[in-house]
Amino acid sequence: QSALTQPASVSGSPGQSITISCTGTSSDVGGYNYVSWYQQHPGKAPKLMIYDVSNRPSGVSNRFSGSKSGNTASLTISGLQAEDEADYYCSSYTSSSTLEVFGGGTKLTVL
Amino acid sequence: EVQLVQSGAEVKKPGESLRISCKGSGYSFTSYWISWVRQMPGKGLEWMGRIDPSDSYTNYSPSFQGHVTISADKSISTAYLQWSSLKASDTAMYYCARQAIAARPSWFDPWGQGTLVTVSS
Repeated sequence: QSALTQPASVSGSPGQSITISCTGTSSDVGGYNYVSWYQQHPGKAPKLMIYDVSNRPSGVSNRFSGSKSGNTASLTISGLQAEDEADYYCSSYTSSSTLEVFGGGTKLTVL
Repeated sequence: EVQLVQSGAEVKKPGESLRISCKGSGYSFTSYWISWVRQMPGKGLEWMGRIDPSDSYTNYSPSFQGHVTISADKSISTAYLQWSSLKASDTAMYYCARQAIAARPSWFDPWGQGTLVTVSS
């Protein structure tokens, strides 16, 4: 069982918006603004999409945005495109001895 | 361009030893942690541990402490992940990823292309 909880799957049609949640505890997501999100296409390495809850690295589309409320962080993708179909993982610093934790991943299907 | 390039796929038998590598380029290798992340077949990402190449200081996840060894050779900008006795359950894709060394936690960026390790008799 992963330390952070994500829905196993979400889906949306092209042009729509979707949100992926990432729920942790006050020891990780809720306690720090150190949540990041990664996109992984099949057979490829993960790619950073969001860092520090809501910051986008250079080169990442502004259709991707992040937020946090309490112990739950969220990744929102607006204007869905076919190439957004991938697995998405959240990650957070944790004050436990584990130091870094990931969510179980969410498979995004673009219908 | 900042890059992490990992060594190629490995096929090993249970009980054998193995060391895989991750070579950094395009940045100051000693200014960033190198983390290792496991992805078992069809599963999610698991953080294993990391190393500060400047002094080889390491952190390990309790789940992996004692099962693997992380090391680095800063003279050739390369980090390593090593097993002394592989098990079938070590079969997975292993990624290295860079994290900034700072007074606060940092994100993983970029990632290496991954090294597939297959352990089978």
